[in-house]
Amino acid sequence: DVKVTQSSRYLVKRTGEKVFLECVQDMDHENMFWYRQDPGLGLRLIYFSYDVKMKEKGDIPEGYSVSREKKERFSLILESASTNQTSMYLCATQTGIVPYEQYFGPGTRLTVT
Amino acid sequence: GEDVEQSLFLSVREGDSSVINCTYTDSSSTYLYWYKQEPGAGLQLLTYIFSNMDMKQDQRLTVLLNKKDKHLSLRIADTQTGDSAIYFCADPGGHGSSNTGKLIFGQGTTLQVKP
Repeated sequence: DVKVTQSSRYLVKRTGEKVFLECVQDMDHENMFWYRQDPGLGLRLIYFSYDVKMKEKGDIPEGYSVSREKKERFSLILESASTNQTSMYLCATQTGIVPYEQYFGPGTRLTVT
Repeated sequence: GEDVEQSLFLSVREGDSSVINCTYTDSSSTYLYWYKQEPGAGLQLLTYIFSNMDMKQDQRLTVLLNKKDKHLSLRIADTQTGDSAIYFCADPGGHGSSNTGKLIFGQGTTLQVKP
């Protein structure tokens, strides 16, 4: 079974703090993704990575950065957290075979006060 | 730009059929997907349909694809309380082949099943 783990289920941070969200997968998948999920908006892609040290911006990258130093680990960084970044953050990996299924972690609910 | 639209909420009684609808704007996608999110969990792939198919049946699930109208639907027969979840339609959009990874998700339809 594919396992995608995220470092925290719940996180509370203060405005201006630097926040690290970690995602680890055990299936040797090349593609990894960070989404944020907000009610009524669905999932929106923040960043994705298709290889170690490779990254591309998604639809809403502003205020975020990412790091992928090892294939199994993809980190999302909020350089200076703001209240509008309060959200559910989901990490996913993707197989390289049809039908290119994405596997999701359980999510991190981040609250910025 | 590419867009995927779903209604936000559906309520049915246990044992009834549920139909969740989705419209999308890009017609070049190879596959279209339905993902399910149970409370407190991430999404998991429920089913998918290849773009040259009109229908796919998998046990209680039936997916219908109308490419002319860019309309996708998911029918769940004999809906159970365990089917209560959020259902997302997803489209690779203008990326054509799904192996580029990027998916555009709809807003998600919350299915409430009443006993």
